[in-house]
Amino acid sequence: GNSVTQMEGPVTLSEEAFLTINCTYTATGYPSLFWYVQYPGEGLQLLLKATKADDKGSNKGFEATYRKETTSFHLEKGSVQVSDSAVYFCALYQAGTALIFGKGTTLSVSS
Amino acid sequence: KAGVTQTPRYLIKTRGQQVTLSCSPISGHRSVSWYQQTPGQGLQFLFEYFSETQRNKGNFPGRFSGRQFSNSRSEMNVSTLELGDSALYLCASSFAGGSTDTQYFGPGTRLTVL
Repeated sequence: GNSVTQMEGPVTLSEEAFLTINCTYTATGYPSLFWYVQYPGEGLQLLLKATKADDKGSNKGFEATYRKETTSFHLEKGSVQVSDSAVYFCALYQAGTALIFGKGTTLSVSS
Repeated sequence: KAGVTQTPRYLIKTRGQQVTLSCSPISGHRSVSWYQQTPGQGLQFLFEYFSETQRNKGNFPGRFSGRQFSNSRSEMNVSTLELGDSALYLCASSFAGGSTDTQYFGPGTRLTVL
């Protein structure tokens, strides 16, 4: 079945450091891929998405590229801020199924 | 445009009781999905409704049920609550649940079962 694997956290960085959170997936067909972010006490917010191979999703300085050959959708940001501290979820979706989430990666950024 | 709203935000119940949670989707969205989030199991899909019909269902016992109304608002019900049902219940809406659709989440209902 479909699944998503993302790197275990927590990830602890200093402000302005480079961020990478790895995400790989297993799926039949061609799913859409997403990154969601969850701040403490809140629901999930869509961060970015990509719907086909080689698409790059970007938002608020975050980027991720849909790599079909490596079945990956790694999240990157060139310079993190304290306000980026949150839990990040990689997810895939195929019509007729449901969003499948990774376990989540906790990011903590200190000043 | 208003986002997805969920009521109530917090609930405390005791074992054996039942509970109903409500979700109002973004205006124009016809697909509503429900997810359970726990520290141990992460985010798990409960069910999806589209045009008042359950279109997809996750692997949860029959104590978990839902419905959708003609205005796309949805409710989920959990009967005979167990301690393990304590979780954050998230509702998400999308336009039609298509392959390129995006699901937008509400803030969740935090259910505590004592």
